[in-house]
Amino acid sequence: DAMVIQNPRYQVTQFGKPVTLSCSQTLNHNVMYWYQQKSSQAPKLLFHYYDKDFNNEADTPDNFQSRRPNTSFCFLDIRSPGLGDAAMYLCATSIRDRAQYFGPGTRLLVL
Amino acid sequence: AQSVTQPDIHITVSEGASLELRCNYSYGATPYLFWYVQSPGQGLQLLLKYFSGDTLVQGIKGFEAEFKRSQSSFNLRKPSVHWSDAAEYFCAVGAKNRGSTLGRLYFGRGTQLTVWP
Repeated sequence: DAMVIQNPRYQVTQFGKPVTLSCSQTLNHNVMYWYQQKSSQAPKLLFHYYDKDFNNEADTPDNFQSRRPNTSFCFLDIRSPGLGDAAMYLCATSIRDRAQYFGPGTRLLVL
Repeated sequence: AQSVTQPDIHITVSEGASLELRCNYSYGATPYLFWYVQSPGQGLQLLLKYFSGDTLVQGIKGFEAEFKRSQSSFNLRKPSVHWSDAAEYFCAVGAKNRGSTLGRLYFGRGTQLTVWP
């Protein structure tokens, strides 16, 4: 089945230790998104790629970066995680401006 | 500016009862509209979507939603709720193809649904 896959499902890191979250998709969608979701809140868009074009949200901290080496994969890099970065990170994909399909998420814990 | 309001933070219904979750939006043109459901510790699952055409939209799991332009609403309904429907429900407005806002989803705050046996 075509799907969005996120690895790992749970990630524990230490304060200030870089971490990378992974997203892959078999849907062949040209747009990929990264969201941050904190407890009892709506997902917050961090950035998205339209094909290879990177679009950063104005309020996304510089601590967060992303890479998209090819159509299928997208990575979220957190350079120096702080306690406030503990959250669920959701990857989503879409064709242009159509419906977004979400992965299961990665729960990040910062110690 | 685009925005989505879900006025009910938490709703409790009995199993077998009917359900309506409210969603109002603010958008400059005819929007794309979505309902997503999220179970604890999981990603968001698309329940249904409206792009154009018939204003009554059928989705998965027996859900439907009706787009009412005059009321700027897109309420989600289900005639008979099952215990497995307990989850958080998000309404979202999608930005149409306009440069940097391409594909952006504007989410409501979510409505937590509890189902009593």
